[in-house]
Amino acid sequence: GAGVSQSPSNKVTEKGKDVELRCDPISGHTALYWYRQSLGQGLEFLIYFQGNSAPDKSGLPSDRFSAERTGGSVSTLTIQRTQQEDSAVYLCASSLSGTGSTGELFFGEGSRLTVL
Amino acid sequence: AQSVTQLGSHVSVSEGALVLLRCNYSSSVPPYLFWYVQYPNQGLQLLLKYTSAATLVKGINGFEAEFKKSETSFHLTKPSAHMSDAAEYFCAVSDRGGSYIPTFGRGTSLIVHP
Repeated sequence: GAGVSQSPSNKVTEKGKDVELRCDPISGHTALYWYRQSLGQGLEFLIYFQGNSAPDKSGLPSDRFSAERTGGSVSTLTIQRTQQEDSAVYLCASSLSGTGSTGELFFGEGSRLTVL
Repeated sequence: AQSVTQLGSHVSVSEGALVLLRCNYSSSVPPYLFWYVQYPNQGLQLLLKYTSAATLVKGINGFEAEFKKSETSFHLTKPSAHMSDAAEYFCAVSDRGGSYIPTFGRGTSLIVHP
């Protein structure tokens, strides 16, 4: 498709399990972002990938969270030993970058994670 | 450093009434400013953006916003609300020429009454 694709759309897991969330950005977009959306908390920045540069991990809330981006395209966000407070919607976005970019983000529909 | 403040977590209007959603920003450099809309169970989509051209920006679905540097504001308006405008609205700021990591406000839920 032409948009940002995320999977799974819904994930229910038990406390302590690991989960992986996938994001397939728009073709040609070199920038990729992960945000977390919790009820009433707005969007919390998690991590940013730009081309082949080292990712900006400044928003990751703990070392249980990690992300990788393979081949400059698909990204996977991994949460280890999930906790109930990890329950949220995880949004992925991509954008063009570099000279002339205005920073507009294109979002996927999100992955809703519920930790029981 | 940059930040966004959206006044009012909920705004309620009658159908046909003026919509005004407030956004104030803080940025150490001239910013890019955005309004995004999120309909239930969907991702965010861009309504409009300010990138240093005209200070009055027109977006989709009849929305517009005015950049006021002296007030550090970027309020979103629509002359006449429609039931289909009920959604969550997010204001965002990113530094011009920086890493383009936008900072989002907490969002304002627009409720439209018949």
